[in-house]
Amino acid sequence: SQQGEEDPQALSIQEGENATMNCSYKTSINNLQWYRQNSGRGLVHLILIRSNEREKHSGRLRVTLDTSKKSSSLLITASRAADTASYFCATAPEETSGSRLTFGEGTQLTVNP
Amino acid sequence: EPEVTQTPSHQVTQMGQEVILRCVPISNHLYFYWYRQILGQKVEFLVSFYNNEISEKSEIFDDQFSVERPDGSNFTLKIRSTKLEDSAMYFCASSEWGAYNEQFFGPGTRLTVL
Repeated sequence: SQQGEEDPQALSIQEGENATMNCSYKTSINNLQWYRQNSGRGLVHLILIRSNEREKHSGRLRVTLDTSKKSSSLLITASRAADTASYFCATAPEETSGSRLTFGEGTQLTVNP
Repeated sequence: EPEVTQTPSHQVTQMGQEVILRCVPISNHLYFYWYRQILGQKVEFLVSFYNNEISEKSEIFDDQFSVERPDGSNFTLKIRSTKLEDSAMYFCASSEWGAYNEQFFGPGTRLTVL
């Protein structure tokens, strides 16, 4: 499997429900970042969590990181139709110059009104 | 709020032609990047640029590609002789201190090679 794999690939929920997306990676990381992409549009930065952090919150977003399992999860609480988008995790590896982000395949979230 | 801008939003070109994609990173950022996303696929790193030189590049970034910061604000990606497989969305990004900080992306340029 590839660095930065999200699951599920697609998730459909009702407005008001919580959405949880998971990301797994293979190499040691400096940090992990989550992005949102609306169809055909640019990437919007959501949150960054560093390898020495276990949990981080930003508004309705909660991100966890488990470096022993090399996995992260993104929780969106009280979802809205406007949250409909693709969500990607991206890792900054520890052992490189620290420049590149490696993206996962993404989870397509659909929030039904 | 400062943002990364890119022009044009859509570029159509013939195979073999040269294209230049332009980006204006966030003004106090020091690291600049190009990524691409082929339709339906994941975002792929192309190149990073710091202190007026390439700091890292991927296997995709071959001799057909080049980057330049011609002045204090613009950052460009040139593809010398486009191929059909270069058709993709190209994203510019910038960050204050490399990948150890948030990378902020522009809206992208959709390149279509015919």
